[in-house]
Amino acid sequence: NAGVMQNPRHLVRRRGQEARLRCSPMKGHSHVYWYRQLPEEGLKFMVYLQKENIIDESGMPKERFSAEFPKEGPSILRIQQVVRGDSAAYFCASSPRGAREKLFFGSGTQLSVL
Amino acid sequence: DAKTTQPNSMESNEEEPVHLPCNHSTISGTDYIHWYRQLPSQGPEYVIHGLTSNVNNRMASLAIAEDRKSSTLILHRATLRDAAVYYCILQPSSNTGKLIFGQGTTLQVKP
Repeated sequence: NAGVMQNPRHLVRRRGQEARLRCSPMKGHSHVYWYRQLPEEGLKFMVYLQKENIIDESGMPKERFSAEFPKEGPSILRIQQVVRGDSAAYFCASSPRGAREKLFFGSGTQLSVL
Repeated sequence: DAKTTQPNSMESNEEEPVHLPCNHSTISGTDYIHWYRQLPSQGPEYVIHGLTSNVNNRMASLAIAEDRKSSTLILHRATLRDAAVYYCILQPSSNTGKLIFGQGTTLQVKP
């Protein structure tokens, strides 16, 4: 059973471009979570999604950031018009039945904004 | 959100037990205590969790104080692969997946 798969592993964007980060949860998991880790800081919750629904987006920046988890396909974290401050490691996690379960994290996408 | 306090860093010798403390004096009655660890350049990895009773699994043991205001993660025999940042996290009873990661404890294991 493959773990949580994130791609790309590294993503380089210039200021103003769009970044799309993908996350395929573990097989059988229908709950996905995105976290961000800024340099020298701890992980910060961004958003919690269940298939086709956003459950909790209290950690998402109000502008430029969006997330989806369609019925088919991976979850996507989209960052429009990236700025240097968006440079960070973005981690996706999944769980089978909900947030009370342990979370399985992917290896992350390291976003670098030039 | 309930807060946890951990030492910034700890050292251990290989093959010896390690006790990683965590204070959470503002824990509520329904908060679960979770431990995750993060190896360099990797995502966090679940270690163990508990509510009131002590817990054991193949990775570690979790000792929870009777008043639940503190807990201790116990690695019975540290290996070099246990060198990581260890996070003690309180999981609220609400089902949001919003884990609050602090700065954690950086564990160094010396051969």
